[in-house]
Amino acid sequence: EAQVTQNPRYLITVTGKKLTVTCSQNMNHEYMSWYRQDPGLGLRQIYYSMNVEVTDKGDVPEGYKVSRKEKRNFPLILESPSPNQTSLYFCASSLALWPGELFFGEGSRLTVL
Amino acid sequence: GENVEQHPSTLSVQEGDSAVIKCTYSDSASNYFPWYKQELGKRPQLIIDIRSNVGEKKDQRIAVTLNKTAKHFSLHITETQPEDSAVYFCAASNRGSQGNLIFGKGTKLSVKP
Repeated sequence: EAQVTQNPRYLITVTGKKLTVTCSQNMNHEYMSWYRQDPGLGLRQIYYSMNVEVTDKGDVPEGYKVSRKEKRNFPLILESPSPNQTSLYFCASSLALWPGELFFGEGSRLTVL
Repeated sequence: GENVEQHPSTLSVQEGDSAVIKCTYSDSASNYFPWYKQELGKRPQLIIDIRSNVGEKKDQRIAVTLNKTAKHFSLHITETQPEDSAVYFCAASNRGSQGNLIFGKGTKLSVKP
């Protein structure tokens, strides 16, 4: 089954404790992206990757890191989480962005205390 | 950079009525405009998209229109049904920006039986 898998789905952590949200897709997609969703703000792009070893900042990259060492994986790293990073995070992938359907993961709800 | 404005933020209609959601974009180079639907607690999913060389596209009860001159595009849902209740996001992208897909803030559509 074609899918984008994120883990963990839910996480409560404390300020400053490094965490990684994993994202994996099994569709051989070149493009992958991370979004955060906050009430009233819609979906805001954090980072994206056009292919292996190619990553670029989206609109809200501060406080996040990513890597793309393999085509299928695109982890999101919060080196020192802060409460303003409490959000719902979505990973998405696409064969090609323009034009291309984005396939979203189920989302990861992160709470930083 | 691109900015996408979406209106209204909430929309309530009676079952069977039509619903229209409008978006404006700022970057005249944008040329791909997808619409995503997000049901409560679920991931966003593509419902329809349009490229700038097309003025209108239909798929059963949904249609999207694009006015390049005015830089706005709209989603039209006819004969609404309760299962159309969801949050709808418009987005804009241009080929030159590669990975940057900018979303509107969303419209919460409620269809009352």
